[in-house]
Amino acid sequence: NAGVTQTPKFQVLKTGQSMTLQCAQDMNHEYMSWYRQDPGMGLRLIHYSVGAGITDQGEVPNGYNVSRSTTEDFPLRLLSAAPSQTSVYFCASSSGVFNYGYTFGSGTRLTVV
Amino acid sequence: GNSVTQMEGPVTLSEEAFLTINCTYTATGYPSLFWYVQYPGEGLQLLLKATKADDKGSNKGFEATYRKETTSFHLEKGSVQVSDSAVYFCALSDFSGGYNKLIFGAGTRLAVHP
Repeated sequence: NAGVTQTPKFQVLKTGQSMTLQCAQDMNHEYMSWYRQDPGMGLRLIHYSVGAGITDQGEVPNGYNVSRSTTEDFPLRLLSAAPSQTSVYFCASSSGVFNYGYTFGSGTRLTVV
Repeated sequence: GNSVTQMEGPVTLSEEAFLTINCTYTATGYPSLFWYVQYPGEGLQLLLKATKADDKGSNKGFEATYRKETTSFHLEKGSVQVSDSAVYFCALSDFSGGYNKLIFGAGTRLAVHP
């Protein structure tokens, strides 16, 4: 019963480096999202996908890219990391249009120095 | 746009005390409302939900009622335990843009002491 799996759990990057945060789900969910969590700000939507090959921007997309080549995987790419991207990142998936709950991964804590 | 406002924390209680965490929302239409809980070092878990006005969501002794007239969805529990210590997020579903995304409040940290 894996649910939503995120890797890595922790990462430290230097300013300007690139990396990919991995997210995979085994529930055959169509909808997948990336959120970032910052103190006092709750979770903010970065990018989302409504199915394989379809992605769109959320509230805070700048500095991030996504792709969705399969139903299961939804990686998040940081092209040139900045200290402002220090955050905890959560991937989430959902099955239904009317959103009877999202399933969240356990998060990736990213520090950019 | 749609938004969620939660009471600021931290909330510190003794075991068996009564808990209320306030949540109000601003939204067009009739969103679904949710409470998520985040235990230390973990992701968010759905605690309860309500999909229409006057619905009461409940789970693990927690309850919240969808109040359209006051645009509120306050979380309550009659007797908290140390194991309830966590961060609680109120959220609503937002259909704008053709995608059912979640809008979160800032979160309220609850600390329960023996």
